Amino acid sequence: GAVVSQHPSRVICKSGTSVKIECRSLDFQATTMFWYRQFPKKSLMLMATSNEGSKATYEQGVEKDKFLINHASLTLSTLTVTSAHPEDSSFYICSARVDPNTEAFFGQGTRLTVV
Amino acid sequence: DAKTTQPPSMDCAEGRAANLPCNHSTISGNEYVYWYRQIHSQGPQYIIHGLKNNETNEMASLIITEDRKSSTLILPHATLRDTAVYYCIVTSGGSNYKLTFGKGTLLTVNP
Repeated sequence: GAVVSQHPSRVICKSGTSVKIECRSLDFQATTMFWYRQFPKKSLMLMATSNEGSKATYEQGVEKDKFLINHASLTLSTLTVTSAHPEDSSFYICSARVDPNTEAFFGQGTRLTVV
Repeated sequence: DAKTTQPPSMDCAEGRAANLPCNHSTISGNEYVYWYRQIHSQGPQYIIHGLKNNETNEMASLIITEDRKSSTLILPHATLRDTAVYYCIVTSGGSNYKLTFGKGTLLTVNP
């Protein structure tokens, strides 16, 4: 399957700082990318959907000013967690797909710890 | 998107077939059945998907009942590396495509 890469795989940051997570599609151009969050022993929760060149669509209950998503090119989307707090500590996962008729592929995830 | 129901856990002996069921009784005509799996602390891995016909690829087979209200994912020869949480997801294609993950089935393959 297609390869989606996230960076960093792990990050520790201090409370109040911002953290940027990158999601890249390595061997295909992704028209749509998705961002998920997963707490320990819980399932993945969709945070937002982003299409290249347009604003992201956030799920209900997700603060768009806190979780900034930029999908500036067909191979890169970024998630910035602003003013991070310990409760933002989680496993963040992105996924991408080529076009509306194909399956989505997932990155390996980013473990964020806010101290 | 239609809701799915899966057993919380299943066990399988190594080398045997693993049959994972999924109920999706409210599925609509334009919705696909997708299967993903997640090995601990990794991103989900795509397995297979189908609309109404049975599908097979190098990883698994997907059997969808004629009324499309349920499906079964078959791993023909389970290995220890197949131990994971398996998610059955129903979603429309096109611009309405959205993968909403439920709790899935934890498949444990035993030696």
